Amino acid sequence: DAGVIQSPRHEVTEMGQEVTLRCKPISGHNSLFWYRQTMMRGLELLIYFNNNVPIDDSGMPEDRFSAKMPNASFSTLKIQPSEPRDSAVYFCASSWGQGRSGANVLTFGAGSRLTVL
Amino acid sequence: GQQLNQSPQSMFIQEGEDVSMNCTSSSIFNTWLWYKQDPGEGPVLLIALYKAGELTSNGRLTAQFGITRKDSFLNISASIPSDVGIYFCAGLNYGGSQGNLIFGKGTKLSVKP
Repeated sequence: DAGVIQSPRHEVTEMGQEVTLRCKPISGHNSLFWYRQTMMRGLELLIYFNNNVPIDDSGMPEDRFSAKMPNASFSTLKIQPSEPRDSAVYFCASSWGQGRSGANVLTFGAGSRLTVL
Repeated sequence: GQQLNQSPQSMFIQEGEDVSMNCTSSSIFNTWLWYKQDPGEGPVLLIALYKAGELTSNGRLTAQFGITRKDSFLNISASIPSDVGIYFCAGLNYGGSQGNLIFGKGTKLSVKP
């Protein structure tokens, strides 16, 4: 398996521009997570999906952030409009299960490093 | 909300030395996970712990699930340069949703050859 695949790996954009980050989870995994990592706040959960349905989006910072999972093999995280404080590394992770033992092992992608100027 | 206190924040050690880091919480967790993040990459799972008191090894790594369910430690024996990276603990309480995997702030390990 190729693992969790994220794109782009790096993105530099200007304030006000729309940013779309993409994720392909591991085949067979039914949960998908979007995290944001910064030096100050560490790893923060933004939103997670189970069976393509958003379960908890309480970590999404503002209405400027939105996430979709149209099918089991693809998800997007969109920021519109972007701001300099959105600069961070965004990770997608996937797992299998419903919260039982052995099923909460997240496999992370390599991340998308976003810089908003 | 639930928080994990991970310590130390950073470590500078000599190759060959043993390393110990830990996570504590005021809350009880049912699962403890330890991840390692290499520069420019995502975290990779090292060890998963599911029972209080459980002691699990993975090569030179050993981790334990504290008996109180509020703490866990990770030991690395005979460190080598490729052990460099950031180590994260993560805890999960089944009482919450699967998204309630809480991460510590990480321990940054530097190994001097």
